[in-house]
Parts: sequence; structure tokens; C-alpha cells
Amino acid sequence: KAGVTQTPRYLIKTRGQQVTLSCSPISGHRSVSWYQQTPGQGLQFLFEYFSETQRNKGNFPGRFSGRQFSNSRSEMNVSTLELGDSALYLCASSIMPGQNTEAFFGQGTRLTVV
Amino acid sequence: DQQVKQNSPSLSVQEGRISILNCDYTNSMFDYFLWYKKYPAEGPTFLISISSIKDKNEDGRFTVFLNKSAKHLSLHIVPSQPGDSAVYFCAANSRGLTFGSGTQLTVLP
Repeated sequence: KAGVTQTPRYLIKTRGQQVTLSCSPISGHRSVSWYQQTPGQGLQFLFEYFSETQRNKGNFPGRFSGRQFSNSRSEMNVSTLELGDSALYLCASSIMPGQNTEAFFGQGTRLTVV
Repeated sequence: DQQVKQNSPSLSVQEGRISILNCDYTNSMFDYFLWYKKYPAEGPTFLISISSIKDKNEDGRFTVFLNKSAKHLSLHIVPSQPGDSAVYFCAANSRGLTFGSGTQLTVLP
């Protein structure tokens, strides 16, 4: 069974540009969440999607957005990139949303903003 | 305000001995906890979870203990192996995972 797949693995962008990251969940998993990992802030929750709807959102500015498609695949977008957006972006999938579920992570997309 | 705390940034243990990783939380509404293991430049790997209706959950070499009154959980790895060397995160699942800052475990051969 394939795991969570994130593309691309690495990305370099310039300040002010926008970027789109992609995540394909484990087959049969319908919930997708996104996280940002930085050395200073650790792992932080961005948002969660289920049935093409955003269910929960972390404490990030509106420049960070996402969506989920009918096949459960998800994308996240960051507009007007800032240097501080350089991070490892992780996607996690779970069978259903909810508190008593395990989330399984992809390998992440390493974004560098220059 | 850190709601999930791992106060030990690092831990070194001899191969074959027990590793004990600790985690404290402040939000009494948290009722489901998970432990993840992470290597550099990779995503976290799920290890084990525990619901607040239990005080212990075991899976092979990994056991998680939960003390609700103290708002404390711990992960025990017995016996520790060099391949266990990684960063370990505890997390609470409540409207998304809230992670601790991680503990770097080094298992010495």
C-alpha cells in the first residue's frame, strides 16, 4: 500500500512569488492535514481538509491556503512568499477526521525562499 | 503558550537499556495522544497512540503510559537499539495535532 506522497520534494522560490504544494493521501484515507516545520517554531498545524471542505485551521495568515479534490488529493498554496516561509511542509492523511485517529505523514516538501 | 511540552531536548541511552521519553500537556481537554519518530528531512513516522480512557498501551518494544491527573505521558522503549536514534515527538490530537518540541534520542552501541 503506497504511503502519503508529496510533490515536489524540494523547491526554491523568490520572495514575493507564490507556490503550490501537492499531497496524495494513502488510498482510502479521506482526511488530509498540513503542517509546517521550522527550527524555531517546531511542527505547527496549518489546516485540515475532509470531503473537500476545510474543517480546522491553525494560526497562520491568509497567505496560506489549501484545497482538497474529490479524490482526496490536496494542495496547499502560499502567496507572496516571505523569507520566513522557508520550512519543511508536511502532509498527513488519516482515514477520517476526528480526535481519536492516527495521522500518517509524507516525506515533506522542503521550501526555500530566497 | 506551549500546550504540549517535551522538556528534555536530548537523551542518550546504552543499547539494550530502557529509553524513557517524557511529555507534559496543559490542556485538560486533550484526550488522545500520539508518539512519532522523525529522521532529518523526512516526515514523522507514527509509533503508538493512547486514548485518555486508558493509562497504558503497548506495542512490541514500545509502551506509552498516561497519567491524566498529572497531565503527563511517557514513552518507554525496551530494549533500546541503535536504529531507534531519532527525534521523538509527542502530540495531542485536537483539531489537528499539537506537537511537543521533540527529544533527540541517541542509542549508543
